[in-house]
Amino acid sequence: EADIYQTPRYLVIGTGKKITLECSQTMGHDKMYWYQQDPGMELHLIHYSYGVNSTEKGDLSSESTVSRIRTEHFPLTLESARPSHTSQYLCASSAPSRQAVYNEQFFGPGTRLTVL
Amino acid sequence: KNQVEQSPQSLIILEGKNCTLQCNYTVSPFSNLRWYKQDTGRGPVSLTIMTFSENTKSNGRYTATLDADTKQSSLHITASQLSDSASYICVVSDRGSTLGRLYFGRGTQLTVWP
Repeated sequence: EADIYQTPRYLVIGTGKKITLECSQTMGHDKMYWYQQDPGMELHLIHYSYGVNSTEKGDLSSESTVSRIRTEHFPLTLESARPSHTSQYLCASSAPSRQAVYNEQFFGPGTRLTVL
Repeated sequence: KNQVEQSPQSLIILEGKNCTLQCNYTVSPFSNLRWYKQDTGRGPVSLTIMTFSENTKSNGRYTATLDADTKQSSLHITASQLSDSASYICVVSDRGSTLGRLYFGRGTQLTVWP
């Protein structure tokens, strides 16, 4: 069982609200990722980080933003939520190549976001 | 274009039966292929990982095969249990980036009935 945590697990909010999805890992991994997943669809990378103060946008355009002030923490923020943001958001982390076996990513349990 | 295709999209089997899930990919240059199990409402959990030189890998009742020449993989589940009901996702990693870029299939939704 990987030590990566996400809160909240479920969130239902109204349009226009600002939200922050939390992700923390206790494995000391440098790389962290945010994915978006809709039912029956593949995971899409929306943000990633190589380490502290490093953040990059992924393949899928997202209106969310991320920050990486501490190694273990990688929160995702939506300034003004809309119904189109309704989805499952998965956080993951992986160790540096010299430590990891095949750059395996470990996933958190996810946050199911519903914007009304 | 790097893609991962899985079949079937969904599968229903009776408890105790075996099944095989398929994965075809076009990812290049290839680094490794993983099978993940994702329970409803949870994050994916790794079952097996195989590199170019490995053509089979087992994890309990799960056995994955890889044919790097034809770019195909399969996941065989033996003596299925109710707890095997989940989505099984094929994920391929390329060697072209330091990020360890992953390409995900849409998964096969397996339902095991008693």
